[in-house]
Amino acid sequence: EVQLVQSGGGLVKPGGSLRLSCAASGFSFNSYSMNWVRQAPGKGLEWVAYISASSGYIYYADSVKGRFTISRDNDKDSLFLQMNSLTTEDTGVYYCARDQGGNGRGGDDSWGRGTLVTVSS
Amino acid sequence: DIVMTQSPDSLAVSLGERATINCKSSQTVLHTSNNKNYVAWYQQKPGHPPKLLLYWASTRESGVPDRFSGSGSGTDFTLTISSLQAEDVAVYYCQQHYNIPRTFGQGTKVEIK
Repeated sequence: EVQLVQSGGGLVKPGGSLRLSCAASGFSFNSYSMNWVRQAPGKGLEWVAYISASSGYIYYADSVKGRFTISRDNDKDSLFLQMNSLTTEDTGVYYCARDQGGNGRGGDDSWGRGTLVTVSS
Repeated sequence: DIVMTQSPDSLAVSLGERATINCKSSQTVLHTSNNKNYVAWYQQKPGHPPKLLLYWASTRESGVPDRFSGSGSGTDFTLTISSLQAEDVAVYYCQQHYNIPRTFGQGTKVEIK
């Protein structure tokens, strides 16, 4: 069974930092690209970052570029999102998601349960 | 960036009736190399992550009931629930997976009339 187990959320002050983790199991993690997607309270979905299977391609939403860093450790089947210079606009639930695009299919077929990030003084 | 615009923002449908959600992209999401439209549809229930329903506009993800179907090409797409069930109450999102950034529509809330 494919599982994405997230950790690392919490309350942080504006200007602070947080690191999110996503532990994968049940599939060949090193064969899949991954995404981070977030959702502000009561709002819609916003794509945040993408990393290809071998980390050769990395992309960010303009809203987080220069502040967030996506990375992965294929030896440990783990995905990360380092978030710096956080603002209240970054508050929301953050999801990691498996991207089917490089595997002959489309969309994000498996999602973590989400982790809440609250940026507040 | 490709802008995805859904309509309506919400709709109420009687049990057993058809629900139709539209999604329009600001530019084509049709890959001419494989003739596939790179649009995905997701269902999200409160307190849960999104669930992939369809990709390539009309290919149903494994395990998704066949009352969910997708159509369209180029810039105009539709998600249809042929016979609404109580468990289909949710917010539905379209997303283009044609390029980066992977943009979503604003969501359509489906309720029971």
